[in-house]
Amino acid sequence: DSGVTQTPKHLITATGQRVTLRCSPRSGDLSVYWYQQSLDQGLQFLIQYYNGEERAKGNILERFSAQQFPDLHSELNLSSLELGDSALYFCASSTELAGRTDTQYFGPGTRLTVL
Amino acid sequence: GQQVMQIPQYQHVQEGEDFTTYCNSSTTLSNIQWYKQRPGGHPVFLIQLVKSGEVKKQKRLTFQFGEAKKNSSLHITATQTTDVGTYFCAGRKNYGQNFVFGPGTRLSVLP
Repeated sequence: DSGVTQTPKHLITATGQRVTLRCSPRSGDLSVYWYQQSLDQGLQFLIQYYNGEERAKGNILERFSAQQFPDLHSELNLSSLELGDSALYFCASSTELAGRTDTQYFGPGTRLTVL
Repeated sequence: GQQVMQIPQYQHVQEGEDFTTYCNSSTTLSNIQWYKQRPGGHPVFLIQLVKSGEVKKQKRLTFQFGEAKKNSSLHITATQTTDVGTYFCAGRKNYGQNFVFGPGTRLSVLP
């Protein structure tokens, strides 16, 4: 158990719909990362937040957005869903103290299926 | 942009054989991390390498960072069925930038 929680575990929805994925980082971690992993693929970095502010952006579609709240939990919003958005979405957290590179602790993931 | 490649994509070994996966970056890295993802699981941090030519060992696993800090390798001695999974390297060009993950090497160990 990494200490990172993600809800829901599974999500099945239809094309065109909008969903919200939620992540709670490990206690004390200020940084949250979102990744997309399609079937048998690697991890595609989407976005990173640090203490409520966006820090880095990867290959995140305009239909996707995220935010980190004052209590440090984060939400990833996916809208106008397409079949190709079906994937595992991982959240990871790290401490990121003073520019030191820290371990990323991954949550169990949310499996999104778009029908 | 920065690219991180891994070879091989898949590797099937007999239990007891050795295994090596190689990670190559298109740019010099400040540091590199290795993760393992078991089937149906999430990535789990294994190790971080920072210094040029650094070698670190964890029991049967040996990690190496190249002299030019553009490549890395993970070697497993005498594989066991518990080693099954996908091994990812993740490289960062500069501190403060996000890590770029390689596509991973999927290891199968036949008993």
